[in-house]
Amino acid sequence: GDSVTQMEGPVTLSEEAFLTINCTYTATGYPSLFWYVQYPGEGLQLLLKATKADDKGSNKGFEATYRKETTSFHLEKGSVQVSDSAVYFCALSDYGGSQGNLIFGKGTKLSVKP
Amino acid sequence: DAGVTQSPTHLIKTRGQQVTLRCSPKSGHDTVSWYQQALGQGPQFIFQYYEEEERQRGNFPDRFSGHQFPNYSSELNVNALLLGDSALYLCASRKTTQETQYFGPGTRLLVL
Repeated sequence: GDSVTQMEGPVTLSEEAFLTINCTYTATGYPSLFWYVQYPGEGLQLLLKATKADDKGSNKGFEATYRKETTSFHLEKGSVQVSDSAVYFCALSDYGGSQGNLIFGKGTKLSVKP
Repeated sequence: DAGVTQSPTHLIKTRGQQVTLRCSPKSGHDTVSWYQQALGQGPQFIFQYYEEEERQRGNFPDRFSGHQFPNYSSELNVNALLLGDSALYLCASRKTTQETQYFGPGTRLLVL
């Protein structure tokens, strides 16, 4: 079945460092890809998405490009802030096939130190 | 514009009891999905409701059941609670014609 694999955490960075969180997927159809963020004690917030190959999603300085050839959707940010400390989840949604339920990776915890 | 709301925020139950969790979708949304997030894990899909019917179900036992009301709000019921049911239960809503889901803050269930 479809699945998402994320790099293991936790990831600890200093403020203004460059961030990459790797995400790869396995899917039989043509999924849309998402990054969600979860701040401590809260639910999930949509960070960005991409719906087809070569699309780039971006929001709040975060970016991810849908790479069909490598089945990847890596999250990047050029300069992280302490306020970016959270758990980041990569997910896919095969809207056409499974009517939109999300399949998540296990999450990557990011801690940014001042 | 209110987002997805869930109640209660926290709940403590004992093994064998039954629990009902509630969700109100974002305004304009008609499809509601429920997810279970165990500690340190990603959310797992439980089921999805549209037009008051269960449209799809994940790999969860029949102890997990749900309902959707005419105003699109939804309930998740869990019978015969097990210690392993302790988790954050997330509700997500969307318009059925769109794929982006919006999540509520969750209900944290502890089973003792």
